[in-house]
Amino acid sequence: QVQLVQSGAEVKKPGASVKVSCKASGYTFTSYGISWVRQAPGQGLEWMGWISAYNGNTNYAQKLQGRVTMTTDTSTSTAYMELRSLRSDDTAVYYCARVGYGDVRGYFDYWGQGTLVTVSS
Amino acid sequence: EIVLTQSPATLSLSPGERATLSCRASQSVSSYLAWYQQKPGQAPRLLIYDASNRATGIPARFSGSGSGTDFTLTISSLEPEDFAVYYCQQRTAFGPGTKVDIK
Repeated sequence: QVQLVQSGAEVKKPGASVKVSCKASGYTFTSYGISWVRQAPGQGLEWMGWISAYNGNTNYAQKLQGRVTMTTDTSTSTAYMELRSLRSDDTAVYYCARVGYGDVRGYFDYWGQGTLVTVSS
Repeated sequence: EIVLTQSPATLSLSPGERATLSCRASQSVSSYLAWYQQKPGQAPRLLIYDASNRATGIPARFSGSGSGTDFTLTISSLEPEDFAVYYCQQRTAFGPGTKVDIK
């Protein structure tokens, strides 16, 4: 069965960086893209960006351009999301999600369990 | 950039009642719209894709309709486990969500 398992919770100081991992299993990793979505406490869902696990192409949300980098390691079927220059409003649960039904339509058919990132001095 | 709006913000209903949730896009998205359910402390779950197709394992009481700019998610008869927040999504855009709570 398809599973996306994320790394554990992180506490970071303002200005620091965080790198969250998402290990995929149960499907051919390079056949699907991975998106990252975050959710601030009590708020809605915010799309952060997408990476092709096939060729590493990326597309980032404009508001995060320059602070976010998404990568994959096909040898371990793992996707990574690094966010730099953290601010308090980056405190959120970060989800990875498989992009099913084709990258053009961009639906998220499987999700990781979420990783809480807390930014606090 | 497409903006999605959802109404109502909160829907208070009793088990067994019918729920009708609305999602409106700022411009036509054809039928490329999905619906997700999210319960507290859980990741979202895909319910409907391409406006009207149920995802794998989704009960038949969930149905979606619409095209262009106006879409509807209907839950024909609410079960206790259906009380949650529902989001619509079109590629990089999510709606703000509709909370379905127990009346």
